[in-house]
Amino acid sequence: GENVEQHPSTLSVQEGDSAVIKCTYSDSASNYFPWYKQELGKRPQLIIDIRSNVGEKKDQRIAVTLNKTAKHFSLHITETQPEDSAVYFCAASKGTNAGKSTFGDGTTLTVKP
Amino acid sequence: SAVISQKPSRDICQRGTSLTIQCQVDSQVTMMFWYRQQPGQSLTLIATANQGSEATYESGFVIDKFPISRPNLTFSTLTVSNMSPEDSSIYLCSVGGGLPESTEAFFGQGTRLTVV
Repeated sequence: GENVEQHPSTLSVQEGDSAVIKCTYSDSASNYFPWYKQELGKRPQLIIDIRSNVGEKKDQRIAVTLNKTAKHFSLHITETQPEDSAVYFCAASKGTNAGKSTFGDGTTLTVKP
Repeated sequence: SAVISQKPSRDICQRGTSLTIQCQVDSQVTMMFWYRQQPGQSLTLIATANQGSEATYESGFVIDKFPISRPNLTFSTLTVSNMSPEDSSIYLCSVGGGLPESTEAFFGQGTRLTVV
């Protein structure tokens, strides 16, 4: 089955700096790669996603890049703010439904004011 | 978007008992998914709940331990049977749009289960 590895497990940055989280996947059939933000005690919420036919996608301060050949994708957050502090999960999906995904282990991002 | 209501939001249960978690979606969906999130860890897919057929379980999860019902296109239940402290986790249901034109996946608010 699919295996998703995520690094780093913890990341601490100064407010205003950039943060980068990287994931690799094993199944070349995976074609949908969402990123979720989970605040303490809350449900995961999608922040950005990318499909396998796209190399990069950006939404304001958040961007995701995908390298299909190397089977890795990354989340980039620029101009970080304290409210960006949360656990971030990458995921990979290859089926016909975005609800069925394999998740990375998560990255705890702390943005220090 | 989909709105998912999950209940109970939390429960404390005695070992050896069972708990049934309910998940209600505000629109009809073909598949619903059940995840487990152990304390401080990632989400692991337990099973896919299909309407009109038996649930499909992932490796390491069995029907006797986690029976699932899916009586219609908007509702599903997950039962955690014969509970032990190792079952203490957050259980989440999820629905998602169809790929490749996928809409995002939505999660219920989760059920925080503590087994004592």
